Amino acid sequence: KNEVEQSPQNLTAQEGEFITINCSYSVGISALHWLQQHPGGGIVSLFMLSSGKKKHGRLIATINIQEKHSSLHITASHPRDSAVYICAVERGSNYKLTFGKGTLLTVNP
Amino acid sequence: DTEVTQTPKHLVMGMTNKKSLKCEQHMGHRAMYWYKQKAKKPPELMFVYSYEKLSINESVPSRFSPECPNSSLLNLHLHALQPEDSALYLCASSQDRNEQFFGPGTRLTVL
Repeated sequence: KNEVEQSPQNLTAQEGEFITINCSYSVGISALHWLQQHPGGGIVSLFMLSSGKKKHGRLIATINIQEKHSSLHITASHPRDSAVYICAVERGSNYKLTFGKGTLLTVNP
Repeated sequence: DTEVTQTPKHLVMGMTNKKSLKCEQHMGHRAMYWYKQKAKKPPELMFVYSYEKLSINESVPSRFSPECPNSSLLNLHLHALQPEDSALYLCASSQDRNEQFFGPGTRLTVL
């Protein structure tokens, strides 16, 4: 079993829909990252969380440390949100990230 | 300046060639990373430099040789690569263990 599991693997939505992507992990962590990657492109860091909730524009990320679970929400989704969303966790005091397999989001107009 | 730049964007090389990938950041970050990413897979960490010293080598074959000449620059020297090394090579930087800023990547094809 992977240390970091994301669901769903693929998600198709209509423009304007509210989207949720989930991430569960099985190890103790010091931080959790949400990343976005457009097809053929580089990676953008969206959030780094160690507790609670963060909001940036239409994106909201939450984390529940006790339940070892995080969610990424996108409100009023738009076709430009189409990308792979990757959850990654950081353990201890080193620089390594353990990545989930990613969620491919497609938002249709 | 809040970006990580990588050159070249694309590279095609033969198995006997020697080439280098370059990564640069001017955000004052003291940690820099090389990742390898195959299609439809998450990135795999290769190397981490912290304060210009190699702190993590994820058992990468010696045909990949990293170098950190100064705190802004990270190179990846390539020699005698195999076709299976074809991938997107991503550089990232961070201020200690904070969020990582990624470059656009170099798309490498080994013939």
